Amino acid sequence: DADVTQTPRNRITKTGKRIMLECSQTKGHDRMYWYRQDPGLGLRLIYYSFDVKDINKGEISDGYSVSRQAQAKFSLSLESAIPNQTALYFCATSDTTASGNTIYFGEGSWLTVV
Amino acid sequence: GQNIDQPTEMTATEGAIVQINCTYQTSGFNGLFWYQQHAGEAPTFLSYNVLDGLEEKGRFSSFLSRSKGYSYLLLKELQMKDSASYLCAVRAPGELVFGTGTRLLVSP
Repeated sequence: DADVTQTPRNRITKTGKRIMLECSQTKGHDRMYWYRQDPGLGLRLIYYSFDVKDINKGEISDGYSVSRQAQAKFSLSLESAIPNQTALYFCATSDTTASGNTIYFGEGSWLTVV
Repeated sequence: GQNIDQPTEMTATEGAIVQINCTYQTSGFNGLFWYQQHAGEAPTFLSYNVLDGLEEKGRFSSFLSRSKGYSYLLLKELQMKDSASYLCAVRAPGELVFGTGTRLLVSP
């Protein structure tokens, strides 16, 4: 079983709809992240959280919101989805006690907005 | 600002050696990472450098020069399964900044 689990893995939604991507981890890490990946643009940070109730904006937070209600769970919401939010989304975790604070990624969630 | 540059694509032959370069300009530096990503899959951690020099791990090695803002990933004895994208990422204060990745194609 994966240590960082994302649901759903694939979703097609319509413009204007609200969509939530959920992430849960069994690694016991304190830090969690949401990235999106687009061809030619690489991985870009949307939001990150260093602990429960701690929320920080990343490079591209507009149009997104997050919730960290428990150490193991970090959800990403698109309040009103638009087509340019079509992308591959990754949740990730890291452990501040480990060397380099290495980031570990979930399997990814493909989101298509039509 | 944060800027990380890598070549977009490289090709190599099975059994050969390939070097993937990465240059960076970031506001602060707390280490450099290399990740491997197969198409449609999650990036997986390969290496971490925080001090200058070479870190070797099996067929893969990573080098860092902080004064030059430069790193490379060296892959030896290439195998077909090494065909993937290789992502260079720099830890700046508070976040990990990724380059756009280098797509490596290994041919027989």
